Amino acid sequence: GENVEQHPSTLSVQEGDSAVIKCTYSDSASNYFPWYKQELGKRPQLIIDIRSNVGEKKDQRIAVTLNKTAKHFSLHITETQPEDSAVYFCAASPAGGTSYGKLTFGQGTILTVHP
Amino acid sequence: EADIYQTPRYLVIGTGKKITLECSQTMGHDKMYWYQQDPGMELHLIHYSYGVNSTEKGDLSSESTVSRIRTEHFPLTLESARPSHTSQYLCASSVGTRYYTFGSGTRLTVV
Repeated sequence: GENVEQHPSTLSVQEGDSAVIKCTYSDSASNYFPWYKQELGKRPQLIIDIRSNVGEKKDQRIAVTLNKTAKHFSLHITETQPEDSAVYFCAASPAGGTSYGKLTFGQGTILTVHP
Repeated sequence: EADIYQTPRYLVIGTGKKITLECSQTMGHDKMYWYQQDPGMELHLIHYSYGVNSTEKGDLSSESTVSRIRTEHFPLTLESARPSHTSQYLCASSVGTRYYTFGSGTRLTVV
């Protein structure tokens, strides 16, 4: 099955700095890679996703890059703000077959943005 | 409002009791999932369903069982709760990989 590794487990930055979280995956059949943000006591919320037919996607201050050859993808947050503080999860899912729609999550990254 | 709902939000129960965690979605999604979230954050898939009368075990072994008799309803049952079952349980639903939505979770404590 799929295995997703996420690093770092904790990340501390100053407000205004950039933050980068990296994930690697093992199953070359995976082609959908979402990122979730989970604030304390709340449900995970999708913040951005990318499919394997593109290498980069951007939405305001957040961007995701994908390298299918190396099987890794990254989340980039620019101009960080205190409200970006949360746990971030990457995930991977295959395009089809019996595992279609099943997300395998990374271990999570606790991001703390200091004012 | 179209969403996914979990009840109860918190549950404290004694060892050996039977419990059912409820999950319902009003979005018409065909796929539904149960995740267990450790205190250390990691999300583990324990059950999933691709439609009515379809259920499969996930990547993490669990003593719980699920049923999918109606599209919108995906309850999880523990026949005999133990302290090792203490965790947060998150339900989710999707259309393929699209519109993946999590419920607010049930935090279960078995004493």
